[in-house]
Amino acid sequence: DAGVIQSPRHEVTEMGQEVTLRCKPISGHNSLFWYRQTMMRGLELLIYFNNNVPIDDSGMPEDRFSAKMPNASFSTLKIQPSEPRDSAVYFCASSSWGAGGNTIYFGEGSWLTVV
Amino acid sequence: SQKIEQNSEALNIQEGKTATLTCNYTNYSPAYLQWYRQDPGRGPVFLLLIRENEKEKRKERLKVTFDTTLKQSLFHITASQPADSATYLCALVYSGAGSYQLTFGKGTKLSVIP
Repeated sequence: DAGVIQSPRHEVTEMGQEVTLRCKPISGHNSLFWYRQTMMRGLELLIYFNNNVPIDDSGMPEDRFSAKMPNASFSTLKIQPSEPRDSAVYFCASSSWGAGGNTIYFGEGSWLTVV
Repeated sequence: SQKIEQNSEALNIQEGKTATLTCNYTNYSPAYLQWYRQDPGRGPVFLLLIRENEKEKRKERLKVTFDTTLKQSLFHITASQPADSATYLCALVYSGAGSYQLTFGKGTKLSVIP
């Protein structure tokens, strides 16, 4: 399996622009997670989906952030409008979530810089 | 809210020695505790999982302990090698209300010096 695939790997954008990050989870996984990582705050959960349905979006910073999962093989995280404080690495991860405390598999991340 | 602390941001150790990393948490114990490795520019990679009713787990040179009384997990790397240099993250897995929650510590950056 190719693992979790994220795009773009790097993005530099100007403040105010819309940013869309994309993720393809591992085939067969029923849960998908979006995390943000910064030096100051570490790895923070933004939102997670189970069977394409958002279960917990309490980590989404504000209304500028939105996430969708239209089907089991694709998800997007959108920031509109972007701000410099949004600069971070955004990770998508997937899991075959169940009662076994299953492993989460991370993508390589999307490195976002907002100038 | 739950707070997770990993003992230090950075840990330097001589090659061949045992590295010990600490993960402490507050409040209630998780159902599971996981350890991940993260290399620069890469996503975290799962290493080990330990359940709340388990005291110890081993995998090759890795050992994890879980003490729910102390609210602490220890992660050991024996016979450490420079290739073990990376950031190690602990993650607590909680279950309830039909869903699971996974919360990460900030990580400890381990440097193994030849």
